[in-house]
Amino acid sequence: SQQGEEDPQALSIQEGENATMNCSYKTSINNLQWYRQNSGRGLVHLILIRSNEREKHSGRLRVTLDTSKKSSSLLITASRAADTASYFCATEEYIRGSRLTFGEGTQLTVNP
Amino acid sequence: DAGVTQSPTHLIKTRGQQVTLRCSPISGHKSVSWYQQVLGQGPQFIFQYYEKEERGRGNFPDRFSARQFPNYSSELNVNALLLGDSALYLCASSLSGFRGRGTDTQYFGPGTRLTVL
Repeated sequence: SQQGEEDPQALSIQEGENATMNCSYKTSINNLQWYRQNSGRGLVHLILIRSNEREKHSGRLRVTLDTSKKSSSLLITASRAADTASYFCATEEYIRGSRLTFGEGTQLTVNP
Repeated sequence: DAGVTQSPTHLIKTRGQQVTLRCSPISGHKSVSWYQQVLGQGPQFIFQYYEKEERGRGNFPDRFSARQFPNYSSELNVNALLLGDSALYLCASSLSGFRGRGTDTQYFGPGTRLTVL
């Protein structure tokens, strides 16, 4: 079952604009991660934010986490055509081992 | 350094057949996880292995099995294939996969695209 729900399901913007994707989850988490996937291939890890962190930056990426609302957002600033991809949030749980539970993703299209 | 590698890249099978997918983790990583991604959906957790032991299993039938070898590579086996098994199978490796051992980012391979006819 999918714990995370991404919003919106699809987003189309122009190059140079900012893109914001949101993720909601249901259970307590240890951390939340964002991944990018190009054309149905492997996932590329973008950023990890721990449950005791509220905001994190990495280059043009900014992630926020609100554990009281069980939600996170990913902001991509000054988007480029190369940012076109599917973006997934994933929550990590420790049940004997570690497992990621993914949402269904946001398809981002950046038009040149 | 090489990332996570998976083989084969693509595979076509017919219903009822069996398939074996392979994964080599990043050097130094001892944990391997398998995920199934059906078209249009997010990946779903199948298994995690650490030091050759199963550490977690998702909600998949017993037709799915896996193992990890002493060199930490892993195989995923699926028996009695169904049309619904058609998916991208992703392997991910991490250092340990255990709580309290720091940040365990999972690094994914390119996946194996399985088509069941």
